[in-house]
Amino acid sequence: GAGVSQSPSNKVTEKGKDVELRCDPISGHTALYWYRQSLGQGLEFLIYFQGNSAPDKSGLPSDRFSAERTGGSVSTLTIQRTQQEDSAVYLCASSLGQSSYNSPLHFGNGTRLTVT
Amino acid sequence: GNSVTQMEGPVTLSEEAFLTINCTYTATGYPSLFWYVQYPGEGLQLLLKATKADDKGSNKGFEATYRKETTSFHLEKGSVQVSDSAVYFCARNTGGFKTIFGAGTRLFVKA
Repeated sequence: GAGVSQSPSNKVTEKGKDVELRCDPISGHTALYWYRQSLGQGLEFLIYFQGNSAPDKSGLPSDRFSAERTGGSVSTLTIQRTQQEDSAVYLCASSLGQSSYNSPLHFGNGTRLTVT
Repeated sequence: GNSVTQMEGPVTLSEEAFLTINCTYTATGYPSLFWYVQYPGEGLQLLLKATKADDKGSNKGFEATYRKETTSFHLEKGSVQVSDSAVYFCARNTGGFKTIFGAGTRLFVKA
């Protein structure tokens, strides 16, 4: 079946512009995560959605970052007034969620964001 | 605090060599532990997992044993292949659903 799909795969933007990154999780997965992978760094947790519960936003680095998940499926990560330090690969993952909390994360191939 | 620490790379080995990538964790409670792998040009995927102390996760010839007494989950493989060249991430969650990852260890295997 289809895996986690992210778009665009690459995004180059000018400093100060807003960007939107999209994630289509695996059908039936109730949990959705956003991570950021900077060069030479591990995966930095950003935000987590589980069903209709309030999202865990504890990893968002600043108020320029926000995310929403419409209809319990597609998610959009928005970065306002981008800065050069926002350059990274943004990864989305989904999992079965609360019904099986040890279920693995299924990752998309990521969006490589470059802020010039 | 809650964190995952893994050995820095890159690790360069010859084919058929023995591999160990160290991973230690700190956490409250009793986390589940994971190894994920990222092959060149591909997304991260689960390699193996262990959910309680003394469990051994295994897959594709890789193994890792959940050691509560040393808070470790070291990844091992007896004979690596060129196709094992990838970045390996140790990870844990704790009851909830936030999975925390280590910095990743890049492995190069030479023919």
